[in-house]
Amino acid sequence: QVQLVESGGGVVQPGRSLRLSCAASGFTFSSYAMHWVRQAPGKGLEWVAVISYDGSNKYYADSVKGRFTISRDNSKNTLYLQMNSLRAEDTAVYYCARDRVLEVVVVVAAPWYMDVWGKGTTVTVSS
Amino acid sequence: DIQMTQSPSTLSASVGDRVTITCRASQSISSWLAWYQQKPGKAPKLLIYKASSLESGVPSRFSGSGSGTEFTLTISSLQPDDFATYYCQHKGTFGQGTKVEIK
Repeated sequence: QVQLVESGGGVVQPGRSLRLSCAASGFTFSSYAMHWVRQAPGKGLEWVAVISYDGSNKYYADSVKGRFTISRDNSKNTLYLQMNSLRAEDTAVYYCARDRVLEVVVVVAAPWYMDVWGKGTTVTVSS
Repeated sequence: DIQMTQSPSTLSASVGDRVTITCRASQSISSWLAWYQQKPGKAPKLLIYKASSLESGVPSRFSGSGSGTEFTLTISSLQPDDFATYYCQHKGTFGQGTKVEIK
């Protein structure tokens, strides 16, 4: 079945780095744009980043721009989020999600509907 | 940046009630809006996309309407499984959420 499984979360000190992974299965991963979305404890959803199906286009929320990098390896059916210079306010559950639209060429022009979600991985930034 | 504002923040209702949640955009977004349901400790679930299109597998008691700046999510007859938090979304912006509680 269609599935996304995140991993790589944990407890990290402020200023340190962490890399999250999202393993996809049950669909043609290389045909879909992918997103990261996070949710701080007791708070709402916050979109973090999107990457086009071929990895050529990437967009970030202002809150993570310059610190986080989204990437993908279509040969491994895996999405990544490299998080550097972590702050306490980055503490959250991080979800990866599939974009609903197939093979979007210009990802910035797409509506960004997310139809498949992983269960999330928890990142805690604390000294 | 476009802001998405949901109302109410919390809604108390009973099984069988008709429930409406409103989402307002700070500027026109045509019909580029999605609705999600999230239960505690679970990932969000896509219910509605393009303002009024029902995602496959979602019960028909859920419906969406609106365009421009004002949108609604309606649950025609609230079921026990529907008590959850609902979010609207336009591209990289989510509304703050509406929690539907048992009255």
